Amino acid sequence: AQSVTQLDSHVSVSEGTPVLLRCNYSSSYSPSLFWYVQHPNKGLQLLLKYTSAATLVKGINGFEAEFKKSETSFHLTKPSAHMSDAAEYFCVVSGVGTYKYIFGTGTRLKVLA
Amino acid sequence: EAGVAQSPRYKIIEKRQSVAFWCNPISGHATLYWYQQILGQGPKLLIQFQNNGVVDDSQLPKDRFSAERLKGVDSTLKIQPAKLEDSAVYLCASSFQGAVETQYFGPGTRLLVL
Repeated sequence: AQSVTQLDSHVSVSEGTPVLLRCNYSSSYSPSLFWYVQHPNKGLQLLLKYTSAATLVKGINGFEAEFKKSETSFHLTKPSAHMSDAAEYFCVVSGVGTYKYIFGTGTRLKVLA
Repeated sequence: EAGVAQSPRYKIIEKRQSVAFWCNPISGHATLYWYQQILGQGPKLLIQFQNNGVVDDSQLPKDRFSAERLKGVDSTLKIQPAKLEDSAVYLCASSFQGAVETQYFGPGTRLLVL
């Protein structure tokens, strides 16, 4: 079975400081992993995805994530937070065997001026 | 390219009434998904179509929810009769092939059942 755990339900950072959103996964197969962002009253937008190529994945808006198999982690980072980054972020696992998206419970990012 | 379209954006109904949501996926996308997102939770898959056939409806409450994708393009999700616990955002997504492909999401329909 596959599952994903987002370790923080809320994260607050100051504008211009680094962002770290943590995600651990469990998968019996080689997983595909995704990060999506959801702004208020908007649909989910893909930030980046890992599909067994390079372990460091670069996404849109300066975000990146590193796949660490030994730690079963796929944490999302950004060097410098912007006010527009305030949103809900979802880590997603999928892969051979289920072909389903399994969503984490989300992390709400707050960016302080 | 045009994204996934959904309507209506908002709906308020009373319990035991019926409601229907519509979704038009990205052109050429064979796979269509309906998700339910309850406040404070991640989206949960209700049903997955591949063209006009159902691939997975294991989490669809079939006593009250139904969905169809008759011509393999747009889709309708219906709830009849609605319960208070159905209050949620209903998201539609599509992908070119199967679920390992990137899914593209619509803006969602926010349902409030009173």
